[in-house]
Amino acid sequence: SQQGEEDPQALSIQEGENATMNCSYKTSINNLQWYRQNSGRGLVHLILIRSNEREKHSGRLRVTLDTSKKSSSLLITASRAADTASYFCATDQGNSGGSNYKLTFGKGTLLTVNP
Amino acid sequence: DAGVIQSPRHEVTEMGQEVTLRCKPISGHDYLFWYRQTMMRGLELLIYFNNNVPIDDSGMPEDRFSAKMPNASFSTLKIQPSEPRDSAVYFCASSGDSNYGYTFGSGTRLTVV
Repeated sequence: SQQGEEDPQALSIQEGENATMNCSYKTSINNLQWYRQNSGRGLVHLILIRSNEREKHSGRLRVTLDTSKKSSSLLITASRAADTASYFCATDQGNSGGSNYKLTFGKGTLLTVNP
Repeated sequence: DAGVIQSPRHEVTEMGQEVTLRCKPISGHDYLFWYRQTMMRGLELLIYFNNNVPIDDSGMPEDRFSAKMPNASFSTLKIQPSEPRDSAVYFCASSGDSNYGYTFGSGTRLTVV
């Protein structure tokens, strides 16, 4: 069963704009991760945020986590055409004591960045 | 490191035939995962190994599916007999540290006709 649910399912923006994708989940987690998948390729790990963290940055990526609402958001700033891909959130349903290494993925958000 | 290597990249087979998918994880990673991706069901975890031992195979859909990891550098996923509904992209991923996420292979696109 799906643990993470991304919203929106699809997003189309112009180059230079910011893109925000959201993820909701159902059970407690040890960490939440975001992945990117280009068409016809494997998934690439972008960023991991632990359950005791609220915000994390990596380059043009900013991830927030609200465990009380069981939700996360991924912000891509100053988007580029090369950011066009599907973005997935994945939850590690371990607990604060540790990871269980097993990730459950949502169905993804398809982001299209128009040049 | 060349990353997680999967073979073949594409496989077309007839219903009823045996299919074997192969995976070489990143050296030093002690977790290996097999996922299946379809439009309808998204990414589903089929099975995962820790130190070559299967830990959780609850996602394996039927007895027609089996997976092995005879050593730290090789794993197979076998479907026998194959059916059209097995058509999907099958991914292998490995991980050595839960703090850094998974590394995925490029996948095997399986088509059963």
